[in-house]
Amino acid sequence: QVTLRESGPALVKPTQTLTLTCTFSGFSLSTSGMCVSWIRQPPGKALEWLTLIDWDDDKYYSTSLKTRLTISKDTSKNQVVLTMTNMDPVDTATYHCARTDRGTKGDAFDIWGQGTMVTVSS
Amino acid sequence: SYELTQPLSVSVALGQTARITCGGNNIGSKSVHWYQQKPGQAPVLVIYRDANRPSGIPERFSGSNSGNTATLTISRAQAGDEADYYCQVWDSSTAVVFGGGTKLTVL
Repeated sequence: QVTLRESGPALVKPTQTLTLTCTFSGFSLSTSGMCVSWIRQPPGKALEWLTLIDWDDDKYYSTSLKTRLTISKDTSKNQVVLTMTNMDPVDTATYHCARTDRGTKGDAFDIWGQGTMVTVSS
Repeated sequence: SYELTQPLSVSVALGQTARITCGGNNIGSKSVHWYQQKPGQAPVLVIYRDANRPSGIPERFSGSNSGNTATLTISRAQAGDEADYYCQVWDSSTAVVFGGGTKLTVL
């Protein structure tokens, strides 16, 4: 069974750096075709993709946010870490991690974590 | 950058067929994926690669993609189908793109 779980602070102050961890099980990020993304959703708004890391350690970033984002993986721990610098109240959102298995479902996100709500406020 | 356009809302009578569109420049040349999201829950993949259903998704859900429009079709709509629906593609210049989402109301 594939699962993903997000963890990190629920509250950060403006200008601070946010660090979120996605801990997953049921697959290996060293397996060809496997990817993990971060996707966020402000309250009442649409999904917004942030970044993706693949089995080969290739990384992709949202054009509008790439200067603020860093994604990394620790294959031995089954974890993917997102850092987002210079947080602002508009970054208040639920942050999800999600898996892509390119070998079976192309670029779709077939399994999602429940998400973690992050509020940016002083 | 590549953009996907969805109607803000779609209404369907109970038991009838709902169609949710996703517009994009030559979207027919891309693989389109669809997600269902109910309030307070994570999105769930309902259609991948234009027209394929993951295991556990009812046959009532189907998809098509041609030209500049992809369509998610929900047959025999049920009250439990009320949700937000998002389309998504991979674009060579933008990477992952989501549509703005469509709220489906079952009357």
